[in-house]
Amino acid sequence: DAGVIQSPRHEVTEMGQEVTLRCKPISGHNSLFWYRQTMMRGLELLIYFNNNVPIDDSGMPEDRFSAKMPNASFSTLKIQPSEPRDSAVYFCASSLFSGMVYTGELFFGEGSRLTVL
Amino acid sequence: RKEVEQDPGPFNVPEGATVAFNCTYSNSASQSFFWYRQDCRKEPKLLMSVYSSGNEDGRFTAQLNRASQYISLLIRDSKLSDSATYLCVVVRANTGTASKLTFGTGTRLQVTL
Repeated sequence: DAGVIQSPRHEVTEMGQEVTLRCKPISGHNSLFWYRQTMMRGLELLIYFNNNVPIDDSGMPEDRFSAKMPNASFSTLKIQPSEPRDSAVYFCASSLFSGMVYTGELFFGEGSRLTVL
Repeated sequence: RKEVEQDPGPFNVPEGATVAFNCTYSNSASQSFFWYRQDCRKEPKLLMSVYSSGNEDGRFTAQLNRASQYISLLIRDSKLSDSATYLCVVVRANTGTASKLTFGTGTRLQVTL
């Protein structure tokens, strides 16, 4: 079975440019998570969706970041305009979530490594 | 205080050694706990869940201490292939919505010959 698929794997861009990261979750999973990982701050949850609906976006750093999930098989994370401090690895993860408490496993994509010059 | 805290390490141990990591959490309402493993420049992957009664999977043992609010991971007979970063994950129910998962920043283990 295909795992979580992210694109692009690597992106180098200049400050001020728009960046769009894409994610295809595992078929049948109803929860999707966007994380950002840096050496200094570790893995930070940016936003997560349940059944395509954003549940918690309190981790989104500021208005420059936006995320969408138009259907169950696709999500995007957009940064506009990008800044050097946005350089990080961005992970998408999906899971099958039921009920109020998460008890399952998060499946991560291979990540998108973003460098903003 | 951070919601989940781990000693970043690195823990440098010889092959065959036993090593243990702790992870403390601040919210007593936390309900589920996991250990993930992350290899260098790779994505995190689930290593094991942590059950209230403690659980073992081969050379790995996970334990939960609710009174002191920490979880632990013990690795016996360390192998070179165990070298990785170990992330603890704490889950609690969000008020009125789905759960909130919080990752620790990870403990790096380096097993040497």
